[in-house]
Amino acid sequence: QKEVEQDPGPLSVPEGAIVSLNCTYSNSAFQYFMWYRQYSRKGPELLMYTYSSGNKEDGRFTAQVDKSSKYISLFIRDSQPSDSATYLCAMSDGGSQGNLIFGKGTKLSVKP
Amino acid sequence: NAGVMQNPRHLVRRRGQEARLRCSPMKGHSHVYWYRQLPEEGLKFMVYLQKENIIDESGMPKERFSAEFPKEGPSILRIQQVVRGDSAAYFCASSPDSGLEQFFGPGTRLTVL
Repeated sequence: QKEVEQDPGPLSVPEGAIVSLNCTYSNSAFQYFMWYRQYSRKGPELLMYTYSSGNKEDGRFTAQVDKSSKYISLFIRDSQPSDSATYLCAMSDGGSQGNLIFGKGTKLSVKP
Repeated sequence: NAGVMQNPRHLVRRRGQEARLRCSPMKGHSHVYWYRQLPEEGLKFMVYLQKENIIDESGMPKERFSAEFPKEGPSILRIQQVVRGDSAAYFCASSPDSGLEQFFGPGTRLTVL
């Protein structure tokens, strides 16, 4: 079983839709959870950073962490064509400090 | 404030040659991380460095790969005697402290012929 599982998609939605992106993980020691957005042939861009369980909202983006289920989600409200990208989840137990474990990414396409 | 800079953006090498990838962290950041992204794969951690020190190299292949972050100048990821399997995108990230908010550069795409 891989440490972090993420459905690669592709996921295609109409403009204005609510998008739900998810990752599951197996290591119960993970405490820090991030979502990155990566446009084609670009570097990942940090979107959301959360610690432990709970919700965090930033504009149209909401990150949720459910440690009991080992499940994290990113919701995008009122999706726009400019949101079309690959979304990567990443997590860490904080111990080694540098070692982020990434999912493979979900490719999202928002159609106008 | 300039972001993380990497050069070259694209690098072509023949099998057996050496590849040198450079990373300049964001201003004020003293922590550098290198990741590799293979086609259809996620980002894989390679090495974590602070100025003049390797903190964690658990993801680095034991042979042919080395990394440094000198007191002056950029961090360097060096791959000796490249093979076709080294073809990938190599990303550098930096952070201001040992926290986990890492900011990524645009990457260097290495192609080994």
